[in-house]
Amino acid sequence: SQKIEQNSEALNIQEGKTATLTCNYTNYSPAYLQWYRQDPGRGPVFLLLIRENEKEKRKERLKVTFDTTLKQSLFHITASQPADSATYLCALLPGDSSYKLIFGSGTRLLVRP
Amino acid sequence: GAVVSQHPSWVICKSGTSVKIECRSLDFQATTMFWYRQFPKQSLMLMATSNEGSKATYEQGVEKDKFLINHASLTLSTLTVTSAHPEDSSFYICSASLAGVPYTQYFGPGTRLTVL
Repeated sequence: SQKIEQNSEALNIQEGKTATLTCNYTNYSPAYLQWYRQDPGRGPVFLLLIRENEKEKRKERLKVTFDTTLKQSLFHITASQPADSATYLCALLPGDSSYKLIFGSGTRLLVRP
Repeated sequence: GAVVSQHPSWVICKSGTSVKIECRSLDFQATTMFWYRQFPKQSLMLMATSNEGSKATYEQGVEKDKFLINHASLTLSTLTVTSAHPEDSSFYICSASLAGVPYTQYFGPGTRLTVL
């Protein structure tokens, strides 16, 4: 069956450290993989998109990697700040030309001051 | 840029009544809008996809007669939950994609529906 999985346990780190979140998928061949931030009671906010032919994408303190062999994406936040505390969702476009996003359940990040 | 609004942000209604939720793209024209539902601590689940001027396409298991979607213009889509029941209580979120950039969606802030 098709699955997209994120660690359901919260990630608790000290301010200033690098946070690394994982997204694994099975039985998809996504053309794109995206990361979103969601705060409680709010809609997701788009952060980064990476294409299937890209290995890595960066934006300020954010970095995303995409390994289509391992079927995994890693999302890094360097020099983390308490304001980075939120739930981070990965989502993929399955590559079937429908442009429907399939979301993981998200990983909650807590950055301690 | 690419701001999406939703109204209302929260609504409480009695069982059996209907509720309409609006989704607007404020600074761009959205060829496609999407409606999602999210239960606590769960993922966003796509309910339907709508294109301006045509009927919405519903995901498997979503009752089209219960969740009426209208996409009358390039900046407005509405979701009406008809004859709402307590199990319809959820967080409803819309998103919109830009013409020519269909792989990126911009999300609204969500609407919390509570059915008593």
